[in-house]
Amino acid sequence: QQQVKQSPQSLIVQKGGISIINCAYENTAFDYFPWYQQFPGKGPALLIAIRPDVSEKKEGRFTISFNKSAKQFSLHIMDSQPGDSATYFCAASQDTGAGSYQLTFGKGTKLSVIP
Amino acid sequence: KAGVTQTPRYLIKTRGQQVTLSCSPISGHRSVSWYQQTPGQGLQFLFEYFSETQRNKGNFPGRFSGRQFSNSRSEMNVSTLELGDSALYLCASSWGHGRTNTEAFFGQGTRLTVV
Repeated sequence: QQQVKQSPQSLIVQKGGISIINCAYENTAFDYFPWYQQFPGKGPALLIAIRPDVSEKKEGRFTISFNKSAKQFSLHIMDSQPGDSATYFCAASQDTGAGSYQLTFGKGTKLSVIP
Repeated sequence: KAGVTQTPRYLIKTRGQQVTLSCSPISGHRSVSWYQQTPGQGLQFLFEYFSETQRNKGNFPGRFSGRQFSNSRSEMNVSTLELGDSALYLCASSWGHGRTNTEAFFGQGTRLTVV
């Protein structure tokens, strides 16, 4: 059972446009929601993260919006640039006991920003 | 500050063989988690080690095992390799305790190909 559903699978955006990636979860015990960016041949890099006590977090051109009641969160990339072309993963985690946090990932969104 | 280092970067093995992958976490990090990444299944959690103890385990067969040393370096082993084990194996490190434990940093991964 997929616990974090991510959409869309792929996204093409014009340079300067807004990229929006959505994720939904079912497990209400999740208490940490990071987004990762992965370039080909590289490991995922932590981009931005949010906790459920906050509805929005912004870091530069990247914003996470979080809707606790709907169990949804999304990543907005403002003024998208060709260098943002990568695969983006949303994730969620909870304390599984003894301080262990296991990340559950969405399937990923391949973003292409065209000039 | 050095990041997470995984060795080797690439491996080609034959079905039935076994393989050992290595991960050196960020200095000071005591938690090491392992993930398998495939195009079909995405990123899936294998296990997590903290202070030389396995603290959490994903839904993988017993052929997948790991260990952590006193310097926090970790190895994972896959025995009796199957074609389906071909994947990118990623290691992530974090502090391992407290809320900052949730910030996981990934290495570049080891690309394992089973032929």
